[in-house]
Amino acid sequence: EPEVTQTPSHQVTQMGQEVILRCVPISNHLYFYWYRQILGQKVEFLVSFYNNEISEKSEIFDDQFSVERPDGSNFTLKIRSTKLEDSAMYFCASSPDLSPLHFGNGTRLTVT
Amino acid sequence: AQSVTQPDIHITVSEGASLELRCNYSYGATPYLFWYVQSPGQGLQLLLKYFSGDTLVQGIKGFEAEFKRSQSSFNLRKPSVHWSDAAEYFCAVGEKTSYDKVIFGPGTSLSVIP
Repeated sequence: EPEVTQTPSHQVTQMGQEVILRCVPISNHLYFYWYRQILGQKVEFLVSFYNNEISEKSEIFDDQFSVERPDGSNFTLKIRSTKLEDSAMYFCASSPDLSPLHFGNGTRLTVT
Repeated sequence: AQSVTQPDIHITVSEGASLELRCNYSYGATPYLFWYVQSPGQGLQLLLKYFSGDTLVQGIKGFEAEFKRSQSSFNLRKPSVHWSDAAEYFCAVGEKTSYDKVIFGPGTSLSVIP
């Protein structure tokens, strides 16, 4: 069964550094999402992406965040200047229709 | 604004016992409703979803959920729990007008004892 794959599984970075989290959605899917889950807390919506543009974003998704689909297969989340509070599990999801159905296993981001 | 509550933070059941995980939502219209499961260190797996139609929804792994509009609930059930069902369970709601965004509940942690 096709899967959403995310790399790396764990990323450690220093505060203030830029990180790029990578996702390969399922190939025939058209809608892409990023969610995050701070340890012990609920899963939070960050952004949705369709037709090469952001369709919706949450208040969490401020100017330090950006998303890109650079080559038609990868879907990336960039955090320009990481803060301690960005430490979380980041989940990518993709769907052929308008609700997220397929999640990756996540990237655990640790900001020190 | 839409919201999802899961009243039970943690539930422990014996293997073979029945299970019901509670979920209540707050939304003006009929939402899309989902249940996801997360095993330790794993991603989120969709168990089942409700969009419209029959209010009793069957999912994978023997789970089912019932949408009750009058109670704003979407409780998850399983008649006989297996040890492998131990995980975190998330109820989620999507807006019907802008269903790009799905809001998750806080989760219920399920432990299964032999």
